[in-house]
Order: sequence, then C-alpha cells, then structure tokens
Amino acid sequence: ETGVTQTPRHLVMGMTNKKSLKCEQHLGHNAMYWYKQSAKKPLELMFVYNFKEQTENNSVPSRFSPECPNSSHLFLHLHTLQPEDSALYLCASSQDGVLAQYFGPGTRLTVL
Amino acid sequence: GQQLNQSPQSMFIQEGEDVSMNCTSSSIFNTWLWYKQDPGEGPVLLIALYKAGELTSNGRLTAQFGITRKDSFLNISASIPSDVGIYFCAGSNTGNQFYFGTGTSLTVIP
Repeated sequence: ETGVTQTPRHLVMGMTNKKSLKCEQHLGHNAMYWYKQSAKKPLELMFVYNFKEQTENNSVPSRFSPECPNSSHLFLHLHTLQPEDSALYLCASSQDGVLAQYFGPGTRLTVL
Repeated sequence: GQQLNQSPQSMFIQEGEDVSMNCTSSSIFNTWLWYKQDPGEGPVLLIALYKAGELTSNGRLTAQFGITRKDSFLNISASIPSDVGIYFCAGSNTGNQFYFGTGTSLTVIP
C-alpha cells in the first residue's frame, strides 16, 4: 500500500477547462511534491512544499497552480492547458524533505 | 538541471538470471534511491542509500552506494516474471531536489 493517494487516476480535459488534481498522504510526512512524467524523459520536479510553504517552483508555467492547505493534502489546479501538458502527474511526500520520497499512483492527464 | 546516466536502457533476460544496472552522476550525491514503476502506476521505493559504500538488500534486490558518491548499482538475483517493469535511480545532494535517471526497462522471459 502506497500511503499516498491521488485522484482522479485519469483525466481528459479541453484546453479551456479548469480542473484540479488532488493528493493526500497518510504517512505523517511534512514535505510534498508534484512531478511531471513524460514518455522517454526523466521525472521533472514541478513544485515542493515544506510544512505547507512552497519552497521550490521549477519554472513551471502559471497555468499550473499548486495549493497545500495542510501537510497531508496537495492540489494542482489546472487551467488553459496545452496538448503538450499531457503526461502522468505524480505526487510524492517525504519526511523533512531530505529522506526518501514516496509516490502516489499518478494522474494520467490528456489535454485535447 | 542535473542529469543521471542510467544503464542499460533496456534488458531482456531469461527467468532465473541475475540482473545488474547502474546509475552515474557528474556530481557527488548524499542520497541514492532506487524505484520500480509498473505501467500506469507511480514509482515504488525499493531501496534507499544514505552513506557512501553502503550495501543494502531488500529480498532479492541489492543496491550499493558507490564509494566515489557519483554512482550507484542495483542487482536483482534469480529474476522472476513479476520483476518486469522500469527501474529508476534518483540522487540528491541537498535534499528536496532529487534528480532522476531515465530508467532501465526490464523484460523477463519465462
């Protein structure tokens, strides 16, 4: 059992839609992450939250907007996405931001 | 950003054979992680290494943190069909920012 859950598992959206991805961790960790995984490319770190404060934003376009209301929940709000944003979006959590990261199952996003 | 070189890119092996794969970096890392990812799922942590020279096992899997701190190795002994998947290495020298390899795709032929 992963300890990190993500919903929805699959999402198809048009370029003008607004949607949100949700992540919840049940491991008592205090750091949470969003990654993008595209075919044939290494995992790309998007955002990092430590104790609910955003500490990293790896030059992610503003059409991706993260939200971390508490150390157990993380959201990724999406609006006016592009087809090239289609990918597997993975959430992860860790303790103190320095130990191993545990991943959720991901949301497979398709932008039409 | 930092890139890890992971090799081989793919492997086709017979059930029962041993498997070796490695990951190298141009920078020194303080932490090495190994993950396995099945299609349509997130990566699952297999082994975490926090000390140069460390050798850690998890069942049939053994991973080593290279002495130079610029590489790591993963071995799988007596492979079975459920070992099929993509294996990723990840390294970090600062915490928070982990860099990932491009993965080794493993196929086990029964």
